Amino acid sequence: LAKTTQPISMDSYEGQEVNITCSHNNIATNDYITWYQQFPSQGPRFIIQGYKTKVTNEVASLFIPADRKSSTLSLPRVSLSDTAVYYCLVGDRGGFQKLVFGTGTRLLVSP
Amino acid sequence: EPEVTQTPSHQVTQMGQEVILRCVPISNHLYFYWYRQILGQKVEFLVSFYNNEISEKSEIFDDQFSVERPDGSNFTLKIRSTKLEDSAMYFCASSDGRDNNEQFFGPGTRLTVL
Repeated sequence: LAKTTQPISMDSYEGQEVNITCSHNNIATNDYITWYQQFPSQGPRFIIQGYKTKVTNEVASLFIPADRKSSTLSLPRVSLSDTAVYYCLVGDRGGFQKLVFGTGTRLLVSP
Repeated sequence: EPEVTQTPSHQVTQMGQEVILRCVPISNHLYFYWYRQILGQKVEFLVSFYNNEISEKSEIFDDQFSVERPDGSNFTLKIRSTKLEDSAMYFCASSDGRDNNEQFFGPGTRLTVL
């Protein structure tokens, strides 16, 4: 499984765009990049997944460069409720693969 | 929206006692998982379960742990003889095996071993 590296923490203010970058230099051809969000005292929640280029859903955008050695989760106009830990996971998405979490990025959104 | 539920939300037990953590996965899901998170640490995979048998287990999931799907809805994690270091948040998750492997997590059971 490819190792991922993310900033330990980030601070932002309400209404700003937040970009969290994840490095995964050893990503394999079959690997997808998936981001989960975890609020305090809750289970992780799937946010977005991509393989290459850009993916967008109602919550976030995921930017993946051509070499796929990194990815950036973009949260537009964050609010206080976006304060959470964000995890970048890299792995084969087939079947029922276990999820391997790193330490994640703790995002604190202030008023 | 369907969700994974877990009971109890908090379990306090004495060292050496047996505990059973219960989960009700989303009804049409076929793949089930247990993860744990020690306070302040990362989420760790324990075990995956499919078709009434363990698919994969981690090094953490030793002989004191077992899982069972006793009926069509519940999925349980049993810890036979709890240790202080078993204190953690235990999360159950389920998935329907779709291509994106999205796993739906329950709210967790906080286990405190005294």
